[in-house]
Amino acid sequence: EIVMTQSPATLSVSPGERATLSCRASQSVNNNLAWYQQKPGQAPRLLIYGASTRATAFPARFSGSGSGTEFTLTISSLQSEDFAVYYCQQYNNWPRTFGQGTKVEIK
Amino acid sequence: QVQLQESGPGLVKPSQTLSLTCTVSGGSISSGSYYWSWIRQPAGKGLEWIGHIYTSGSTNYNPSLKSRVTISVDTSKNQFSLNLSSVTAADTAVYYCARDSPRYCGGDTCYYASDIWGQGTMVTVSS
Repeated sequence: EIVMTQSPATLSVSPGERATLSCRASQSVNNNLAWYQQKPGQAPRLLIYGASTRATAFPARFSGSGSGTEFTLTISSLQSEDFAVYYCQQYNNWPRTFGQGTKVEIK
Repeated sequence: QVQLQESGPGLVKPSQTLSLTCTVSGGSISSGSYYWSWIRQPAGKGLEWIGHIYTSGSTNYNPSLKSRVTISVDTSKNQFSLNLSSVTAADTAVYYCARDSPRYCGGDTCYYASDIWGQGTMVTVSS
């Protein structure tokens, strides 16, 4: 099983600032890496797939990068609606595995 | 647009079988090349992939649950289902169903991510 490790666990950011979230895989997942956004009481939403392709519902301030074992999600200028928990998931191998999540909170 | 909705008992007794159904609306479950997944999330914790079923009926399960899990599809009802046997309190969670769509195909292999999710249903295991 591929272990996904996210850091930090919590990120405190002021609105308008940049947020950088990391995700590391225990072995290469190529570019088969997704990011999901989850708000309280809601289901996760697919945000990024293929490590860097943004889902159409999300604005351009969200971007993903990386390949192999190291990945980054960047939110260029945090808006109030972006405060949430973000999970990475590899879909290169079975079982699919998720990171433990990074909570982005208001500073 | 395609929507998914979970249904099933909110309370299950220990040692019994948890049974949930996901109804797909806005599209046919048997059309296209999709996997249909189950994912769960204990309160305050992260996401755990349970398994999925392909349009053809082939399945993949999380090895940690494989001995207790069955996922099936009923194309006549446009539904797919989860059965989890011998449940304990550790199986208490919000259960989500999701559609996995191909995000990259290379050679004979496609790679799928969960692009549409149900709202989730809370299942508590307690006597």
